Formats: sequence, structure tokens, C-alpha cells
Amino acid sequence: GNSVTQMEGPVTLSEEAFLTINCTYTATGYPSLFWYVQYPGEGLQLLLKATKADDKGSNKGFEATYRKETTSFHLEKGSVQVSDSAVYFCALRGSNYQLIWGAGTKLIIKP
Amino acid sequence: EAGVTQFPSHSVIEKGQTVTLRCDPISGHDNLYWYRRVMGKEIKFLLHFVKESKQDESGMPNNRFLAERTGGTYSTLKVQPAELEDSGVYFCASSKMSGLETDTQYFGPGTRLTVL
Repeated sequence: GNSVTQMEGPVTLSEEAFLTINCTYTATGYPSLFWYVQYPGEGLQLLLKATKADDKGSNKGFEATYRKETTSFHLEKGSVQVSDSAVYFCALRGSNYQLIWGAGTKLIIKP
Repeated sequence: EAGVTQFPSHSVIEKGQTVTLRCDPISGHDNLYWYRRVMGKEIKFLLHFVKESKQDESGMPNNRFLAERTGGTYSTLKVQPAELEDSGVYFCASSKMSGLETDTQYFGPGTRLTVL
């Protein structure tokens, strides 16, 4: 069946550091892939998405590329800020339109 | 445009009681989804409405959970009777139309349910 695996957190970085949060998936076919973010005290917000192989999603300085050959969708940002502290979720959309989620990675950015 | 809203934001009940969660989707969105995150685990799909019809309820854990969407607008999720393992955060999401690669699910802030 479909599944998503994310690197475990928490991930702690200093401000302006480079960020990578790994995400790999198992799926039949070529699902759409998503990164959602949950800031403290808030709901889930769509951060970026990619709908086919080699697509790159980007938003707010974050990027992720849909890699079919490695079944991955790693999230990257060149220079993180304290305001990026949040929980990040990788997800794929199954054939029935439901989202299948990774466990979430808590990101802590220290000034 | 108003986003997805959920009520209440937090509910604390005792085991055996009944709780009803409400979700108001974005206006004009035919699709409505319920998900939940039990403590320490992944977010899991519960069910999917298209307008007032249940398209997929494969994620509903058992018959203590009842979801409705009368008139195809807001939805309710009732848990009766609640058990300790039902504690978690219940998220609602809506989307304009399924079947499109560009379709995006927009989430509400969630309802945190605590069963004592």
C-alpha cells in the first residue's frame, strides 16, 4: 500500500543554516506529493506541492523536487529563520484522493 | 474568502460521553475530508464527502464514529460513546473538486479532543 516516511525530529538548527528534511514514499503509480506545515497553535497549511515527476514545488524559500527514480520529495531551504520553527508534514494523495501522511518533523530554529 | 473553520477548538469529555465536532468548509467546496492525529502517530484519513454523499469512509475506526453532511454544507463528526483512545486532534479539510491534479485540500485549525 501507499506510505510516506519522514526523518524523525526534532531537527534543531541555527538561524541562517541550510535545511533538509527527508521524505520518501511508496506508492502505486505517480501520486501528487505535498508538504504541509503546522506553526505553533495553528492548523495545517499547504507549503508546496508537485504533481508529476521532476516537478519542483516552491514557496517562502522552501523547495522540494519530485524524484521518481529515488521515490523522494525532500524539503530544502537555503537559510532558515526563527519563524520557520514548526512541524512539517510530507504527504501523498492516494487514488481515492485521501492524503497519506508522514509522521511529521518538528523543526526548531535557534537565534 | 473565509477558510475552513472547526468548532470547538478544544473539547474535554469523560469516557462514555458523546461529543460532536463541526466543520464548515470553504464556500463552494464540494469535497470535505476528516482526518485525525492520535498522540504520537501519523495523521490518518477518516472519510471523504462529495457534497452530501460519503465517497469514502474506509478510514472510520469503528461504529462509534458517525459523520454527516446534511445539505452538502457543514459536516459533523459524532463520537458516541467516546473512549480514551479517541483522544487526539481532528482535522477537517475541503477542496473544490476531486479528480484534478491541481486540486488542493485546505485545512481547518483542528479540534483537540481529550477523553479522560
